[in-house]
Amino acid sequence: SQQGEEDPQALSIQEGENATMNCSYKTSINNLQWYRQNSGRGLVHLILIRSNEREKHSGRLRVTLDTSKKSSSLLITASRAADTASYFCATDSGAGSYQLTFGKGTKLSVIP
Amino acid sequence: EPEVTQTPSHQVTQMGQEVILRCVPISNHLYFYWYRQILGQKVEFLVSFYNNEISEKSEIFDDQFSVERPDGSNFTLKIRSTKLEDSAMYFCASRTGYTGELFFGEGSRLTVL
Repeated sequence: SQQGEEDPQALSIQEGENATMNCSYKTSINNLQWYRQNSGRGLVHLILIRSNEREKHSGRLRVTLDTSKKSSSLLITASRAADTASYFCATDSGAGSYQLTFGKGTKLSVIP
Repeated sequence: EPEVTQTPSHQVTQMGQEVILRCVPISNHLYFYWYRQILGQKVEFLVSFYNNEISEKSEIFDDQFSVERPDGSNFTLKIRSTKLEDSAMYFCASRTGYTGELFFGEGSRLTVL
């Protein structure tokens, strides 16, 4: 898989259910971030997790990071129709570089 | 809430023409970026800009591309001679320098005919 690659590519769930998206990456990272993009719109930052952190929460979002497996997951609990969007993970390698490498994203559809 | 603004929202141009995309980053931010997203594909890094100079650029950012911060508020991306494959959504982003969080604009859709 390529740096910052999410799976599944598409996910369809009922409102109220939880949605889990996964991200894998290849090289060592400094930070991993998750962004959301509504169709045709800009990206909105959701959460940042540092390489020395294992879990982080923000509202209905929970992100985990396993650096030994080079993977992260984003859990959205009690999903709403308004959560329908594409979700991207993005990594930076640190060492003075803050260039983000994005994955292809997971397209989440939440059915009311 | 402060936001990154981009103009134009959509530009259609003929192949070979010059295009300038404009961005106004958030005022107290120090780092500025251009990314692009070809339809249906991943968001790709083009260039980062700090302290009035390019700090990093990708292989995509060849001699046809240039960036400028002409007046302390605007941040522009120029494509000198557009190609069909330059058709994409171009996103400007900025960050404070204290965190890695990027704030993105809504994008400029460039269509090259």
